[in-house]
Amino acid sequence: NAGVMQNPRHLVRRRGQEARLRCSPMKGHSHVYWYRQLPEEGLKFMVYLQKENIIDESGMPKERFSAEFPKEGPSILRIQQVVRGDSAAYFCASSPDGAYEQYFGPGTRLTVT
Amino acid sequence: GQQVMQIPQYQHVQEGEDFTTYCNSSTTLSNIQWYKQRPGGHPVFLIQLVKSGEVKKQKRLTFQFGEAKKNSSLHITATQTTDVGTYFCAPKAAGNKLTFGGGTRVLVKP
Repeated sequence: NAGVMQNPRHLVRRRGQEARLRCSPMKGHSHVYWYRQLPEEGLKFMVYLQKENIIDESGMPKERFSAEFPKEGPSILRIQQVVRGDSAAYFCASSPDGAYEQYFGPGTRLTVT
Repeated sequence: GQQVMQIPQYQHVQEGEDFTTYCNSSTTLSNIQWYKQRPGGHPVFLIQLVKSGEVKKQKRLTFQFGEAKKNSSLHITATQTTDVGTYFCAPKAAGNKLTFGGGTRVLVKP
């Protein structure tokens, strides 16, 4: 069973461009979470999704950030008009129904120049 | 939300020695999870504690949940270089949301 997959692993964007981060959960997992980690800091919850539904987006900035988990295909975290402060590692995690632990992907390291 | 503080922020340990890292909350927690993140890697689930005073062991790692369910600790005996990394505690709120502490960064001196 392949683990959580994220791509790209590294992404460089200029200020004002859009960044699209993809996450494929583990097979059989219907719950997806996105976290952001700044250097030397802990992970900050952004959003929790199930297929086609956003369950909790309390950690998402109100502007420029959006997330989806369509019926088919990976979950997408989209950042519009990126700024330098968006530079961070973005981790996706997934879990199956009824499980308490979350399985993390390798992360996408976004650098905004 | 449920905020947790982890101390120390950095832990320099001589190989073979023991150490303990702590996770403290001002509010009662329903549960606490621990994750380990190697340098450049991603968090990996270690354990979940739910019951007051619960103690769980994984080889050289001992996890404890306080009687008041406001703090937790991770004790590592006979530290090895493979223990290098950052250890995070994270209570899980209703709705599956994890709130990570700032982590304890462990460096091992050979």
